[in-house]
Amino acid sequence: DAKTTQPPSMDCAEGRAANLPCNHSTISGNEYVYWYRQIHSQGPQYIIHGLKNNETNEMASLIITEDRKSSTLILPHATLRDTAVYYCIVRVALIQGAQKLVFGQGTRLTINP
Amino acid sequence: NAGVTQTPKFRILKIGQSMTLQCAQDMNHNYMYWYRQDPGMGLKLIYYSVGAGITDKGEVPNGYNVSRSTTEDFPLRLELAAPSQTSVYFCASSYSGLAGGHEQFFGPGTRLTVL
Repeated sequence: DAKTTQPPSMDCAEGRAANLPCNHSTISGNEYVYWYRQIHSQGPQYIIHGLKNNETNEMASLIITEDRKSSTLILPHATLRDTAVYYCIVRVALIQGAQKLVFGQGTRLTINP
Repeated sequence: NAGVTQTPKFRILKIGQSMTLQCAQDMNHNYMYWYRQDPGMGLKLIYYSVGAGITDKGEVPNGYNVSRSTTEDFPLRLELAAPSQTSVYFCASSYSGLAGGHEQFFGPGTRLTVL
């Protein structure tokens, strides 16, 4: 399974953009990169995913390098409620269309007032 | 929609006891998953199901069993509980859609302690 590497912790000021890096140098050509976050040990929450192109939704933007070996999650205007553990995940195919999310240890992002 | 629900929220077991963790979803999702999360770690896949009557092992299936008799429910059974099974258990579900979809929706978790 492809592995991801993230910094264990990061800080960001409220209102600023939070940029969370992730290395996934062993990712295969058809494996998607997903980002989830986990707040206070709740169930993980989906943020965004991508394959090759950059993606944007109402929560965040995902920038994937051309060689697909790394990506960056961008929270454009971080708020205190964005304090969480952020997981960069490679999705691995299982039988009959099922998909396994391979979690690393994530980045603990703290938004400071 | 309630989404993915799990019961109980907390449970303490003695070594050797058995229990069933319940998981239900009301989104008509085909795929359901059980993960465990040990302190300070990411989630690991225990078992998964692609539909009623079809299940398969994930990364860490030893000590657990599952069944899927309906689309909505996916219970996880612990037989002969051991301290190594102390963890937080998350159930998730997803829809079999187009390639690139498969967002997994997670339940709130069950915190299990085995003493």
